[in-house]
Amino acid sequence: SQQGEEDPQALSIQEGENATMNCSYKTSINNLQWYRQNSGRGLVHLILIRSNEREKHSGRLRVTLDTSKKSSSLLITASRAADTASYFCATDARNKLVFGAGTILRVKS
Amino acid sequence: SQTIHQWPATLVQPVGSPLSLECTVEGTSNPNLYWYRQAAGRGLQLLFYSVGIGQISSEVPQNLSASRPQDRQFILSSKKLLLSDSGFYLCAWSARANTEAFFGQGTRLTVV
Repeated sequence: SQQGEEDPQALSIQEGENATMNCSYKTSINNLQWYRQNSGRGLVHLILIRSNEREKHSGRLRVTLDTSKKSSSLLITASRAADTASYFCATDARNKLVFGAGTILRVKS
Repeated sequence: SQTIHQWPATLVQPVGSPLSLECTVEGTSNPNLYWYRQAAGRGLQLLFYSVGIGQISSEVPQNLSASRPQDRQFILSSKKLLLSDSGFYLCAWSARANTEAFFGQGTRLTVV
């Protein structure tokens, strides 16, 4: 079964709005990562947050991690049409990088 | 800089035919290597991972196999493809555990 599960499954917003995606996981982790995938392409790493961190920023991205709730969120601020993609969280356990089902984000211009 | 090559980009194979997908990494040594499969509109399913030459861990029992004949080469194989083997196959590498992974561009396999 998937270690990480994202919600919502799909999200449609207007350009300029913020997009929030959530991820829940089941076991203890060393870190949690977020990736982006454009349609039909490989995944691209966005950000990694360690288990002892609570929040991390990278440009328009903000990631939070709550290890007590085994959950993380990815916030994309001031979204652009080019942010349209699928977003996945991934957890690393004993050399295995396991991905959730992903959130499909559509940003309408 | 490190790069990952995965080929072919697309492949159409008949049921019962063999399969060989190759992935190579340049610019690093002793990487962790991964094979994933992605069904249309779905998440990534981890198929195999390897932490060294000849060391393969299988995550899902199926008619696929993986081999790592060289440090930076990872091969996904099947002796006889099934219709259910259709999907988007992705190879990835990471420098070690708990670090970011880098993905190839994927192979879209259609079994007919």
